[in-house]
Amino acid sequence: DTEVTQTPKHLVMGMTNKKSLKCEQHMGHRAMYWYKQKAKKPPELMFVYSYEKLSINESVPSRFSPECPNSSLLNLHLHALQPEDSALYLCASSQVAGGLGLAGNEQFFGPGTRLTVL
Amino acid sequence: GENVEQHPSTLSVQEGDSAVIKCTYSDSASNYFPWYKQELGKRPQLIIDIRSNVGEKKDQRIAVTLNKTAKHFSLHITETQPEDSTVYFCAAAVDDYKLSFGAGTTVTVRA
Repeated sequence: DTEVTQTPKHLVMGMTNKKSLKCEQHMGHRAMYWYKQKAKKPPELMFVYSYEKLSINESVPSRFSPECPNSSLLNLHLHALQPEDSALYLCASSQVAGGLGLAGNEQFFGPGTRLTVL
Repeated sequence: GENVEQHPSTLSVQEGDSAVIKCTYSDSASNYFPWYKQELGKRPQLIIDIRSNVGEKKDQRIAVTLNKTAKHFSLHITETQPEDSTVYFCAAAVDDYKLSFGAGTTVTVRA
């Protein structure tokens, strides 16, 4: 299996709701990422997990809470979001997070979850 | 942090001509430079990448060049086809993995 999968594909939530985004990969990758992408903009890195531990948090508001239950799964828990948080949320994975030296480290992206906050 | 600038923001070429997209980066420690394409509503897909120890890499009609001294890298697409029409993003990463993306280039290939 060489794909990253994400559920749900679309999510509409109110500002008081709690919801979760899920990401899964079975490529044996030990690094997983969350990105946020607004329309007509590039992806912006939010979080990096390396060997199931959070290694990077790009100053993301606490209303976004990541979780990595095991090496194949990555969740993003959402609570008290704002309308400006509406975006495409992309998950990605790679072999590792850094340290490959001269080897490649392609990040494979999932299809994303289109989030709308009302 | 790393800052990546990408030009042009839009590019229109005649089918069969070449397309060139240029990016500059700010952090001299960046060592990995991937290029992604992203169809509308789809996931980003890697088309080619290059590491800092290599000056040029080619894969069929696509090539990437890197000038570490000037801190810029470019994507070259030859013999363009209508199916090459999409959005292309360059990116730069320190330590292979912390990607900073350029703003993107929308390429249109006219038949």
